[in-house]
Parts: sequence; C-alpha cells; structure tokens
Amino acid sequence: GIQVEQSPPDLILQEGANSTLRCNFSDSVNNLQWFHQNPWGQLINLFYIPSGTKQNGRLSATTVATERYSLLYISSSQTTDSGVYFCAVAGGYQKVTFGIGTKLQVIP
Amino acid sequence: GAVVSQHPSWVICKSGTSVKIECRSLDFQATTMFWYRQFPKQSLMLMATSNEGSKATYEQGVEKDKFLINHASLTLSTLTVTSAHPEDSSFYICSAGQTSGNLDIQYFGAGTRLSVL
Repeated sequence: GIQVEQSPPDLILQEGANSTLRCNFSDSVNNLQWFHQNPWGQLINLFYIPSGTKQNGRLSATTVATERYSLLYISSSQTTDSGVYFCAVAGGYQKVTFGIGTKLQVIP
Repeated sequence: GAVVSQHPSWVICKSGTSVKIECRSLDFQATTMFWYRQFPKQSLMLMATSNEGSKATYEQGVEKDKFLINHASLTLSTLTVTSAHPEDSSFYICSAGQTSGNLDIQYFGAGTRLSVL
C-alpha cells in the first residue's frame, strides 16, 4: 500500500510564528486531505488538495503530485492551532491511509 | 457541507460486555463507510470497509468476530465491539465519502472513546 510520511513529528511554536508541515507519499494518489485533530479527538477537514494550491485564512496548502509531496502552511499561529495535523491519501477508491501526524503546540 | 454523526462520543463499560457504535451520514447517502482505530498518540489505522448491503471488508489483523460491522442502510453503519476487554480501549472513528464529479472527500465522525474496565 501507499506509504505516507509526515515531518516534523513534533513542533513547538511561539504564538504569531509561521510554520510548514510536510507530507511525502510513495505513489500516485487520487486524493489528499489535511486534517486537524483537536485535543478532544475531533478530526476537522482542512483541505482537500490532490494537486495545486489552496488557501483558507491563515492556512494554505500546496500539493505537487508529480513529486509526491504536500505542504501545509500555518501563518501567524494561534494557541487554538494546537493539536495534531494529519495528512491522508487515497490511491484507490476512497480507501485512506494516514500519516503519523505532526503534533503542534503553540505557546503564548 | 456533508456531516457524519457518530454516537456515542464516550463509553465506559465492564469487561465482557458488548458496545455498539453508530455512524450516520446526515445529509448524504454513503454506500461505503470506513472504521478506524486510533491508539493514544498514534495515527489512525483503517480497521474495515463497511459496504451497504454486503459483508464488511476487514484489514489484515483485525478480528471480524470481535468487531462486527453492519451497514444496513445508505446512511447508517454500526460497529459492535463484542465481549470487550481492556485492550479494546481506544478511540474509534468512522468516515463516509461524498463524491462530486471527480472529487472524493472523506468526512469523519467526531469519534468514540471506548474505555473498558
């Protein structure tokens, strides 16, 4: 199956700082999603981005499908951004493989 | 957007009892739903694919007699943890996909935290 690697595994930021999270995947994919899992476990879909660039407020994401990676940018981080960020990809119909996640802690 | 509801959000049970978790797609139909398990500080691992009107497809290493899946309608899938034991304690999450054109997005339930005493 498809392998998904995320980096860094842990990240501590001062409030207001910017960061880039990376997701590498081992094969071509039909879709790619970025999720934020809050401290209560709820998964929030951030982006569906099999290719190209999208932006939503302070967050943006870029996927370069030909080079098999995706980047999630967080600008002007806030304490509410804390949690785990997962990259999830699907090679076949709907079946999703998750990366190990990046645990982000934003400190005031 | 599409909403997937999962219930209950938290359950505590005694060892040996069975626990049923429901996953509903509220505003769309889903012929396929997925069940994941997440151990503390780990990623989500796919347990099984739930297919409406047919048997579920289990991933390697997942006991189908322990984790019973029923997908009785296009909006409901249930996961029953039978004869639960403390090692079954975990966070369980379901998802359902919505396809629009060539776009396929997975929507996730809020998860169920199971604690077996």
